[in-house]
Amino acid sequence: DAGVTQSPTHLIKTRGQHVTLRCSPISGHKSVSWYQQVLGQGPQFIFQYYEKEERGRGNFPDRFSARQFPNYSSELNVNALLLGDSALYLCASSLEAGEGYTQYFGPGTRLTVL
Amino acid sequence: AQTVTQSQPEMSVQEAETVTLSCTYDTSENNYYLFWYKQPPSRQMILVIRQEAYKQQNATENRFSVNFQKAAKSFSLKISDSQLGDTAMYFCAFMKHEGIGADGLTFGKGTHLIIQP
Repeated sequence: DAGVTQSPTHLIKTRGQHVTLRCSPISGHKSVSWYQQVLGQGPQFIFQYYEKEERGRGNFPDRFSARQFPNYSSELNVNALLLGDSALYLCASSLEAGEGYTQYFGPGTRLTVL
Repeated sequence: AQTVTQSQPEMSVQEAETVTLSCTYDTSENNYYLFWYKQPPSRQMILVIRQEAYKQQNATENRFSVNFQKAAKSFSLKISDSQLGDTAMYFCAFMKHEGIGADGLTFGKGTHLIIQP
């Protein structure tokens, strides 16, 4: 079975631009979560979506938004990019949301903001 | 809010040795879940082991086992018979048993484990 997939693998943008990152969950998984991992740190929670509804949001500015589609895939959007947004963005899927359902991670999208 | 602390930024052991990675956490929750994830240089985050807080028995997965001490809020990972492929960043992570809303996983800063040949 295919794991979590993310696209693109790498992305280079300039300050002020907008970016869209995409994620396809493991087949049968209904929940998708997004994390930001800055170099040398552990991932930080951005969003969790379940059945197309936002279930949770981390401490990130409104420039970050996301959505989940009927096929459970998801997009993460970041507006007005800052240099500090340079990071590895990880998507994780789980069967359901909450209650300790294990999250399985994709390979990530490396975003560089110049 | 929950916090996860990994006090060992880097560890190095010889192949076939046993190594223990430390993790402590702070929470006011009674029901929660703890995880160890491995992130090799390829950057793919891989689940190593999972522990439910309501289970007293320590989880094991082949060469990997945990020592879960709920009262002490400690969750260490033991790797037996270490192999070169175990070289990676290891992250300890916490997830609360939420009813409404979600905080996702809370990660520590990681321990870089190097297995020497």
